Amino acid sequence: DSGVTQTPKHLITATGQRVTLRCSPRSGDLSVYWYQQSLDQGLQFLIQYYNGEERAKGNILERFSAQQFPDLHSELNLSSLELGDSALYFCASSVHTGQAYEKLFFGSGTQLSVL
Amino acid sequence: DQQVKQNSPSLSVQEGRISILNCDYTNSMFDYFLWYKKYPAEGPTFLISISSIKDKNEDGRFTVFLNKSAKHLSLHIVPSQPGDSAVYFCAASVGGVVDNAGNMLTFGGGTRLMVKP
Repeated sequence: DSGVTQTPKHLITATGQRVTLRCSPRSGDLSVYWYQQSLDQGLQFLIQYYNGEERAKGNILERFSAQQFPDLHSELNLSSLELGDSALYFCASSVHTGQAYEKLFFGSGTQLSVL
Repeated sequence: DQQVKQNSPSLSVQEGRISILNCDYTNSMFDYFLWYKKYPAEGPTFLISISSIKDKNEDGRFTVFLNKSAKHLSLHIVPSQPGDSAVYFCAASVGGVVDNAGNMLTFGGGTRLMVKP
């Protein structure tokens, strides 16, 4: 158990809909990262928050947004969903601001299926 | 543009033998490399890492080798055990710097290792 909690584990929805994925980082971790893993793809970095503020942005679509709340949990909002958004979405956390040499601790992921 | 590649999607090894997982990268700025292991229905977990100032790092049955001139790293598991069966991801980062994509860790596509009893 990494200490990172993601809910829900599975999500099935239709095209055009909006969903929210939730992540609670390990106790004491200030940074939260979101990654997307599509079929046969590596983990693609989406976005990182540090202590409530956006720290780094990766290959995140404009239809997607995220935020980190004062209690440090984070939510990833996916809107106007398309079939291609079906993927495994991972949240990870770390203690510091995301400097190199940091280990990321991953949650077990949310499997999103867009039908 | 895949900066980190794992060209073997799968590998099958007999229990007790050596497993060698390979990873190639193209960005010469990468200076820290990690291996993550992922079991089904779980998130990736950190396995071992190596800084570019070293060419080898060992932790128990796991050894990572780095060949900077070839931009290649490998993970050796000796001896392999059935419990090692998982997907292994190679990841790389540029020390302390967020690149243009903001990608703190760049992951490869993963290699599925199957260790047969």
